[in-house]
Amino acid sequence: EPEVTQTPSHQVTQMGQEVILRCVPISNHLYFYWYRQILGQKVEFLVSFYNNEISEKSEIFDDQFSVERPDGSNFTLKIRSTKLEDSAMYFCASVVAVTETQYFGPGTRLLVL
Amino acid sequence: SQQGEEDPQALSIQEGENATMNCSYKTSINNLQWYRQNSGRGLVHLILIRSNEREKHSGRLRVTLDTSKKSSSLLITASRAADTASYFCATDGIQGAQKLVFGQGTRLTINP
Repeated sequence: EPEVTQTPSHQVTQMGQEVILRCVPISNHLYFYWYRQILGQKVEFLVSFYNNEISEKSEIFDDQFSVERPDGSNFTLKIRSTKLEDSAMYFCASVVAVTETQYFGPGTRLLVL
Repeated sequence: SQQGEEDPQALSIQEGENATMNCSYKTSINNLQWYRQNSGRGLVHLILIRSNEREKHSGRLRVTLDTSKKSSSLLITASRAADTASYFCATDGIQGAQKLVFGQGTRLTINP
């Protein structure tokens, strides 16, 4: 069964460093999302992406964040200058159409020191 | 803003018993989805129920949706130790790119 994959599974970085989190959505899906979950808290929406552009973003998704679909298969989230409070589990999700099931990847656990 | 909120926050039952978790939300939706998360792991999709549906079954799972009360319930019958996890409801909106809004979740513990 097709699934969303994410790499790396874990990443440790120093505050101020740039990180790129990678996702490979399910191949026939058209809408892509990033969410994050700070330890012990609920899952929060960051950004949605459709037709090679951002369709919606949350207040969390400030100028330090960017997303890209560089090659038609990968979907990346970049944090330019990480802060301690960016430490969280980051989930990628994709869906074939907006009224259907969103499938989530296994997540990348980011730790900013 | 729309928001899914589950109750109870934590539930502990004996293996074999049924577990019921509830979710409430605030605004109109297209659908409501339930997810399971094992500790520190990814989100596994369990079931999607559309706004024009009232009940849906999948194996040992039964989900109901009451759009007039803006609430949903997830029933797990004949619980097993492997059902121990956190369960989240997530609601979408009726416009736009359908971001999901998650509740705080119910932490379910099945005691052997």
